[in-house]
Amino acid sequence: QQQVKQSPQSLIVQKGGISIINCAYENTAFDYFPWYQQFPGKGPALLIAIRPDVSEKKEGRFTISFNKSAKQFSLHIMDSQPGDSATYFCAASKGQGGKLIFGQGTELSVKP
Amino acid sequence: GAVVSQHPSRVICKSGTSVKIECRSLDFQATTMFWYRQFPKQSLMLMATSNEGSKATYEQGVEKDKFLINHASLTLSTLTVTSAHPEDSSFYICSPKLAGTDTQYFGPGTRLTVL
Repeated sequence: QQQVKQSPQSLIVQKGGISIINCAYENTAFDYFPWYQQFPGKGPALLIAIRPDVSEKKEGRFTISFNKSAKQFSLHIMDSQPGDSATYFCAASKGQGGKLIFGQGTELSVKP
Repeated sequence: GAVVSQHPSRVICKSGTSVKIECRSLDFQATTMFWYRQFPKQSLMLMATSNEGSKATYEQGVEKDKFLINHASLTLSTLTVTSAHPEDSSFYICSPKLAGTDTQYFGPGTRLTVL
């Protein structure tokens, strides 16, 4: 019940295309869902986060879509650029003291 | 804002020695600090959680006597890998949580190589 399942494991997108990464969770007590971007040899960087009371959140080219009934959430990267090539992790936690449960990660490659 | 530093960024040591990794939140206070390790091409594995001034809580399978965590202030935490062995070689990342929020930031990581 603590797992967060992320797909796909890897993704290749052409420059200018839309990158979509999906995550699914089981624990309905989760109330915070962030996405992190990690470049090789670096620590993860917080990209965007959402709570279950909204179905979508957009920040620049990054959008989280959240489906509470399906227990799924996804990251959309619009107008994908080669500089977006990185590993993306979704995560979930419950309550302010809760620890993040991470997905397995998606390695995104944006081809010029 | 939300700047986290980790030192050293890379360390190579001989088997049996101890290594201390320092993590600082430079522009915010972190009542809670998480320490992760990450193997190549894998997700982040939580090792332990510490609250300022309290003993750390370790995840199952993580030896508390091997990975010593100190969280003495709201801006500084240290992880000491004692008697390091080659299997401890990994990427160690600290993650301070912004006080009063759910938001977790991550340090730049420390690459530990044990020969």
